[in-house]
Amino acid sequence: DAGVIQSPRHEVTEMGQEVTLRCKPISGHDYLFWYRQTMMRGLELLIYFNNNVPIDDSGMPEDRFSAKMPNASFSTLKIQPSEPRDSAVYFCASRGPRDTFSSGANVLTFGAGSRLTVL
Amino acid sequence: AQSVTQPDIHITVSEGASLELRCNYSYGATPYLFWYVQSPGQGLQLLLKYFSGDTLVQGIKGFEAEFKRSQSSFNLRKPSVHWSDAAEYFCAVGARGNEKLTFGTGTRLTIIP
Repeated sequence: DAGVIQSPRHEVTEMGQEVTLRCKPISGHDYLFWYRQTMMRGLELLIYFNNNVPIDDSGMPEDRFSAKMPNASFSTLKIQPSEPRDSAVYFCASRGPRDTFSSGANVLTFGAGSRLTVL
Repeated sequence: AQSVTQPDIHITVSEGASLELRCNYSYGATPYLFWYVQSPGQGLQLLLKYFSGDTLVQGIKGFEAEFKRSQSSFNLRKPSVHWSDAAEYFCAVGARGNEKLTFGTGTRLTIIP
């Protein structure tokens, strides 16, 4: 398996532009998570999906952020309009079905991240 | 709410020396505990995990961690570090029935010759 695939790896854009980050989870994984990493706040969970349905988006900072998962193999995180404070590394992670107290529970596999710079 | 504290922001260790990275968690029930490692420009890779049973868990790359419920700790150890261990290390806590992992702020490890 190629692992969790994110694109683009690097994005530089100007304030006010729309940014779309993409993620392909591991095949068979039914949970998908979007995290944001900054020096000031560390790793923050933005939103997660189960079976393509958004379950908890309480970490999404504001309405400028939106995430979708149209099918089991693809998710997007969109920022519109972007602002300099959105500059961060955005990680996508996926996880397989939760087993009952087994070693598979809660183990996330992360992508390599998308580094976003908003000028 | 669950939380994780990694009190050391940056640690420098000589190659071949032993290592211990500290992690303290706060969670009301039995936690699931994890250590992840992040190399520069890379995503996070799972080093080891604790769900239940033996409180000393072994991971990849020669790392181990010990769960101490009385101290709410899950410290990461390695008897002899290698230059390739230089990276950032994250402790995380989760729980059965709670899909959200909470990560600590990380400890950056520098290895000197």
